[in-house]
Amino acid sequence: DTGVSQNPRHKITKRGQNVTFRCDPISEHNRLYWYRQTLGQGPEFLTYFQNEAQLEKSRLLSDRFSAERPKGSFSTLEIQRTEQGDSAMYLCASSYREVGGYTFGSGTRLTVV
Amino acid sequence: GQQLNQSPQSMFIQEGEDVSMNCTSSSIFNTWLWYKQEPGEGPVLLIALYKAGELTSNGRLTAQFGITRKDSFLNISASIPSDVGIYFCAGLTHTSGTYKYIFGTGTRLKVLA
Repeated sequence: DTGVSQNPRHKITKRGQNVTFRCDPISEHNRLYWYRQTLGQGPEFLTYFQNEAQLEKSRLLSDRFSAERPKGSFSTLEIQRTEQGDSAMYLCASSYREVGGYTFGSGTRLTVV
Repeated sequence: GQQLNQSPQSMFIQEGEDVSMNCTSSSIFNTWLWYKQEPGEGPVLLIALYKAGELTSNGRLTAQFGITRKDSFLNISASIPSDVGIYFCAGLTHTSGTYKYIFGTGTRLKVLA
């Protein structure tokens, strides 16, 4: 197993465009998390999936953001009508226990120009 | 979003020195994690703590779960250049019916050879 994989690693987009990121978790992990990290800050929780069910969404996740995890495998995070404030590192993590540590991917760095 | 307080924010040390950093919260946590993040990468789990008062080591790293359950400490002994990075603590919270980790603001470590 190669760990949590995120694509693309980097994305530069113009304001107003839509972007989609993909996360492939560790195969035996049924829990998947999306976090956002801005410069100089720690990761902030966005949303959580257990299998294919999205169980929690943070208030940080505005209605321009949507996440899916079809069939409980990979997940996608889409941002519509991007704004400059969306520029950040988007991190995906997975785990097989609720209270164990998460394994993070390398992240997707989004720059909105 | 909520973040835990870490101190110091940054530190410059000489190779071979010992390092101490801590993480505090106004809330009680039942699990603490410590992660290290290098530039352009996702956080990597270093140590997990599950019980108040617990002291756990991982090589030159030692972490403690504070007795009050509101703080945690990380020590690095005999630092080496590859210890450079940002160290994050994370506390497990249970809100909106799900468990998730809240991260600290990070301690940026630079080691001078």
